[in-house]
Amino acid sequence: AQTVTQSQPEMSVQEAETVTLSCTYDTSESDYYLFWYKQPPSRQMILVIRQEAYKQQNATENRFSVNFQKAAKSFSLKISDSQLGDAAMYFCAYRTPPGGSNYKLTFGKGTLLTVNP
Amino acid sequence: GAVVSQHPSWVICKSGTSVKIECRSLDFQATTMFWYRQFPKQSLMLMATSNEGSKATYEQGVEKDKFLINHASLTLSTLTVTSAHPEDSSFYICSARDRRRSGDGYTFGSGTRLTVV
Repeated sequence: AQTVTQSQPEMSVQEAETVTLSCTYDTSESDYYLFWYKQPPSRQMILVIRQEAYKQQNATENRFSVNFQKAAKSFSLKISDSQLGDAAMYFCAYRTPPGGSNYKLTFGKGTLLTVNP
Repeated sequence: GAVVSQHPSWVICKSGTSVKIECRSLDFQATTMFWYRQFPKQSLMLMATSNEGSKATYEQGVEKDKFLINHASLTLSTLTVTSAHPEDSSFYICSARDRRRSGDGYTFGSGTRLTVV
C-alpha cells in the first residue's frame, strides 16, 4: 500500500522569506501523481501544485515550486516570498494515474505553516 | 474552474437522529465521489468511495449502516449519518473526480461541521 509521510508537524517562516515543506512517499508503482494541497482556517481544500511522476521537470506555480526526486521518493514544496495568506495546513498527497484500479488520494498527516509578520 | 457545493456547512443534531450531507458538482460530471472525515488538526481520513449508479466502497473500519452514501446521479452524492452519536461529531468533506480532467487533483467541497448533542 502507498504511504505518504510528512515529517514536519509544524513549520514557521517570516513574511517574504522562503520555506520548504518535506514529503516522502512509498510506492511500487512507476507512474503516479503527487499533489500539495493547502487547507487554510476556512478548511477548504485548495490544490496548490501537482506533479506527474513521468515528468522530470519540477512543477512550478508562481511562488510555489516542488523538488521531485523520484529515486528518493521525495516531493518537497518550496514557498518563496511567503505571504500571510500562505498560513495554512499543507497536505502532501499521492494518487495512481487514470486507468489504475485505485483512484484514491493518499494523504500525509500535514504540516501546519505559520507565517510571521 | 470546477466547483463542488457541499451543504450544510454546519449542523447540530440531537443524539439518535439522522443527518444528510449533500455534495453537488456544479459544472462537471463527477464520476466518482470521495467522502472524508477530519478531526481537528489531523489529516483527512477516507471513509468511502462512490461511483455513480453503484454501491459505495467503504474503507476498513467504517460502518456501512451508519454512514449511508448515495450517488444517484453524476452531479449529486449524499452522506447520511444515521442514529448519530456524539462520537460522530466531526468535519466531513467530499471530493469529486471529473472524468474530463483525470490528471488533475480532485475538487473538494467546503466541508460540513457536524455536532451531535
